[in-house]
Amino acid sequence: AQSVTQPDIHITVSEGASLELRCNYSYGATPYLFWYVQSPGQGLQLLLKYFSGDTLVQGIKGFEAEFKRSQSSFNLRKPSVHWSDAAEYFCAVAKNYGGATNKLIFGTGTLLAVQP
Amino acid sequence: NAGVTQTPKFQVLKTGQSMTLQCAQDMNHEYMSWYRQDPGMGLRLIHYSVGAGITDQGEVPNGYNVSRSTTEDFPLRLLSAAPSQTSVYFCASSWSHHVQGGTEAFFGQGTRLTVV
Repeated sequence: AQSVTQPDIHITVSEGASLELRCNYSYGATPYLFWYVQSPGQGLQLLLKYFSGDTLVQGIKGFEAEFKRSQSSFNLRKPSVHWSDAAEYFCAVAKNYGGATNKLIFGTGTLLAVQP
Repeated sequence: NAGVTQTPKFQVLKTGQSMTLQCAQDMNHEYMSWYRQDPGMGLRLIHYSVGAGITDQGEVPNGYNVSRSTTEDFPLRLLSAAPSQTSVYFCASSWSHHVQGGTEAFFGQGTRLTVV
């Protein structure tokens, strides 16, 4: 069965520091991978996605993620964190199931706090 | 273009009461889905629809009903509310249920439901 693991429940970084949020997936075929961000009291917003091709994908707000098939990982990175990046981040994989390939399976999320 | 609109934003129910959470999208998306978000569990798929008149169950469908009479609307009905249904509910839509073509899921702002 497909699954997504985000091993870090809570991360705190200083403003201006670099960030890496981990995501590991379990999926038998070529995965479709996503990172979403949820600000407090808001819905989820897509940061970036990987379908095929270049394994380093760029997203909005200066985020990027690298797909590593050998490690079954899709880690999210940002070189310099801003206070406005404080939010909860979700990794997701699209499950190919009966043709409805937009059935997203989400990880449990990583809550990011940014210290001044 | 409002995107995905959910109503109400907040609701308190007594055990045994029924209610309908509304979801509407104005993007002519064919695929719509409902998720619930609980602490430490990420988002879990309740029901989804790949088009008007077609619905199917997700991971956690028990206690919920859906219908899709129009492309725009996808209401979620709680038949007899239980405290275990206390959660934040998100509706999402995407252009197609096929991931190919770079579709992404757009989320509403959520409905926070408390069952007492």
